[in-house]
Amino acid sequence: NAGVTQTPKFQVLKTGQSMTLQCAQDMNHNSMYWYRQDPGMGLRLIYYSASEGTTDKGEVPNGYNVSRLNKREFSLRLESAAPSQTSVYFCASLQGAVNSPLHFGNGTRLTVT
Amino acid sequence: QKEVEQDPGPLSVPEGAIVSLNCTYSNSAFQYFMWYRQYSRKGPELLMYTYSSGNKEDGRFTAQVDKSSKYISLFIRDSQPSDSATYLCAMSLNNDMRFGAGTRLTVKP
Repeated sequence: NAGVTQTPKFQVLKTGQSMTLQCAQDMNHNSMYWYRQDPGMGLRLIYYSASEGTTDKGEVPNGYNVSRLNKREFSLRLESAAPSQTSVYFCASLQGAVNSPLHFGNGTRLTVT
Repeated sequence: QKEVEQDPGPLSVPEGAIVSLNCTYSNSAFQYFMWYRQYSRKGPELLMYTYSSGNKEDGRFTAQVDKSSKYISLFIRDSQPSDSATYLCAMSLNNDMRFGAGTRLTVKP
């Protein structure tokens, strides 16, 4: 009954450090997404994976990379963190039927100093 | 101009009040319209969705879509303190989804 699980829940990085945000879903969904949420900006799509083995850029991909490791797991990597990447990051999955709803994890709160 | 506009509030109402939350959008091609509810320090969860103009009701919640005006609304009747959350509108075209910034609602006992 876990749904979408994100780790870690919180992280503080110094400028220039790297880290990987992990996401796993147990609903056998085909598509997975990474969003960032900033005050006044809403949810903005960073990258998505329509199916295992494929990834595509979203609205704000610069400074990020992703890996769709298998059907369950989709990770987001920051190679050289910047203060502008301070945000709450949400992973989501979707069954694949057109216009079906997104299922979200509970987020990773990242601060870059 | 943002593709989806939503007043961020905050909105504070007494328990039992009728709440009206609204979004406007610019892309007339959007097909599906959704409302997500997000509690503090949690991910958004789907509350309601609709794909046509008109009203859809689910308990105390009514979603309204006016495609001609590019305007969607969510009404909450008999609001409860447990309704205190941020409400995000979202709209999609073939799984390309756009979100509003969210309206923070507080229902006071």
